[in-house]
Amino acid sequence: AQSVTQPDIHITVSEGASLELRCNYSYGATPYLFWYVQSPGQGLQLLLKYFSGDTLVQGIKGFEAEFKRSQSSFNLRKPSVHWSDAAEYFCAVGEIQGAQKLVFGQGTRLTINP
Amino acid sequence: DVKVTQSSRYLVKRTGEKVFLECVQDMDHENMFWYRQDPGLGLRLIYFSYDVKMKEKGDIPEGYSVSREKKERFSLILESASTNQTSMYLCASSPPPGSADTQYFGPGTRLTVL
Repeated sequence: AQSVTQPDIHITVSEGASLELRCNYSYGATPYLFWYVQSPGQGLQLLLKYFSGDTLVQGIKGFEAEFKRSQSSFNLRKPSVHWSDAAEYFCAVGEIQGAQKLVFGQGTRLTINP
Repeated sequence: DVKVTQSSRYLVKRTGEKVFLECVQDMDHENMFWYRQDPGLGLRLIYFSYDVKMKEKGDIPEGYSVSREKKERFSLILESASTNQTSMYLCASSPPPGSADTQYFGPGTRLTVL
């Protein structure tokens, strides 16, 4: 069965600093990969997704992620974080089984220091 | 714009009560999902449906049931609520596989069982 691991439960960075959130997955075939963000009290919003093609994926709000098959990773990056980026971030792997099931990681909570 | 709505943002119920959580999507999506979200565990799939009157168990279906009588509406039912069902419940919908799309989430219902 597929699984997703986000090794960092909580990360704190200073405003303006660069950010990298880690995601490792286990999946037998070519994965469909997603990053979602959840602001306090809100549902999940899609940041970006990888289905095929270019392994560097651009998303909304200045985020990008790189798919590395050899490392089974799909890390999320942003060159300069803003206070509004404080939220919880979820990595997910999808399988197309008639319902596009998603398996989520545990989430990484991001705190921004002013 | 894509929209998934959930009937309540906050709900407080007593142990043993029957609880209904409602979800409505306006995107004519075939697939609908119910997740629960707990700190440190990410999102876990309870049930999903890929068509009207069709349902499939997810990873943690025990203590829950679902109903999908109309395409746009997917209900989660707690037959006899227990305190360990206190959680955030998220509904999502998606188009069928092959659309290169993702799941769209509602804002969530925070359920407290006393």
